[in-house]
Amino acid sequence: QVQLQESGPGLVKPSQTLSLTCAVSGASISSGINYWSWIRQYPGQGLEWIGYISHSGSTSYNPSLKSRLSISVDTSKSQFSLKLSSVTAADTAVYYCARATYFYDPTDYGTPTFDYWGQGTLVTVSS
Amino acid sequence: DLQLTQSPSSLSASVGDRVTITCRASQSISNYLNWFQQKPGNSPKLLIYVASSLQSGVSSRFSGSGSGTDFTLTINNLQPEDFATYYCQQSYITPWTFGQGTKVEIK
Repeated sequence: QVQLQESGPGLVKPSQTLSLTCAVSGASISSGINYWSWIRQYPGQGLEWIGYISHSGSTSYNPSLKSRLSISVDTSKSQFSLKLSSVTAADTAVYYCARATYFYDPTDYGTPTFDYWGQGTLVTVSS
Repeated sequence: DLQLTQSPSSLSASVGDRVTITCRASQSISNYLNWFQQKPGNSPKLLIYVASSLQSGVSSRFSGSGSGTDFTLTINNLQPEDFATYYCQQSYITPWTFGQGTKVEIK
């Protein structure tokens, strides 16, 4: 059973860097066609994809965050990390890590799909 | 960014009802559309992938349809455990995006 677990500070001061780590168990972080992702959810609101790091180490970031964002992976520890710099109150949200992998329909038509999620961690930006 | 617009934003329904939620994409996304269910305090749960394929372990009361820009999630014989918020999500192009959600409440 694949499990993901977020960890990191729950409170970050404005202008500082938000750092979170996602520990992965039950799956190899460096094999298979997987996209290790970060997603956030504003309180009481919808979901925003932040970005991913792939099984090959390539990254894709949401353009709205790209200038402040870095996602990295540590295969020796089976974990991947998020760093978001210069945070403001607008970055207050529940942050989820998730795995996206290809799912195929009976016609072999496939799309990356989030199949495993962490439980989420609330990060509040406040002085 | 590619926009996904869900309707309605919320609805009230009774146990046993049939519920339909729609998701419209701002451009064609072929079948690259997934549906998730989220209950308060929980992470989203995958229900439907590639527009119409049922995720393993998910009740057959859930079904998805559509392609291109218009998609539908249908819940037949609504059960108490189905009261939740539902999101569509596209993986056609980055940034991957989600609909704003549809909250299904008890009438």
